[in-house]
Amino acid sequence: AQKITQTQPGMFVQEKEAVTLDCTYDTSDQSYGLFWYKQPSSGEMIFLIYQGSYDEQNATEGRYSLNFQKARKSANLVISASQLGDSAMYFCAMRSRGGADGLTFGKGTHLIIQP
Amino acid sequence: NAGVMQNPRHLVRRRGQEARLRCSPVKGHSHVYWYRQLPEEGLKFMVYLQKENIIDESGMPKERFSAEFPKEGPSILRIQQVVRGDSAAYFCASSPLAQNSNQPQHFGDGTRLSIL
Repeated sequence: AQKITQTQPGMFVQEKEAVTLDCTYDTSDQSYGLFWYKQPSSGEMIFLIYQGSYDEQNATEGRYSLNFQKARKSANLVISASQLGDSAMYFCAMRSRGGADGLTFGKGTHLIIQP
Repeated sequence: NAGVMQNPRHLVRRRGQEARLRCSPVKGHSHVYWYRQLPEEGLKFMVYLQKENIIDESGMPKERFSAEFPKEGPSILRIQQVVRGDSAAYFCASSPLAQNSNQPQHFGDGTRLSIL
C-alpha cells in the first residue's frame, strides 16, 4: 500500500520569502512518480511539478522546485519568492506500478502568504 | 485545447435521490479517473476507466456507486439513493493513451455535491 504524509496542516509565510512544504511517502515499488498539485480557494486542481523515482536531478518548474531525497523517502516542494497568489492548499501525490493507477494524495498543507 | 470538463459544477440532491456527474476528458485522452474529496481532506481515488472498460474500482464504495465511460460521450459517475455522507467534491482526471508514471493527470474543476 502507498501512503503520503504531509505533516504541516497550515503555514503562514511572509510575501517574497521562500517556503518549503514537506512530503514523505511510503511505497514498496521501485518505480514511481511524485506530483505536487495546487488547489486555490476556487477549488480546481492545478498540476505544479513532477519527480520520477529514477530521476537523478531534482525537478524544477519556474519558482517551484522539488527537493527529492530518495533514501529518506521525501519529496518536499520549495516555492521561491512567494507571492500572494500562492495562497492555496498544496497536495503531494504519488503514482506507481507503471503509471496506470490512480494517484494517492496526502491531506494537504494550507499555505497562506501574508503581505 | 479544452481541458477536462465536468458538469454540473454544483449539484444539490435530497436524500434518496440519484446524482449523475459527467466528465469529458481532454481530447485524445482515453484514461479517466474519478476522485472524491471530503472537506478538509485530500483526494481519494475511486475508479479508473478506459473506453468501455472499468480497469480499477478498488476505491469505489460497493453499493450505490457506479461509473461508466462509454464509447461515445462523457464518463458518468452515478450515485443512487444519496445520503448526507455523499456530500463532497468529486473530481475527474484524464491522461493520454501512452501511460507512464510521469504523465500528470489533468483535473477538471470538480462537481460539488450537496445532499439536503
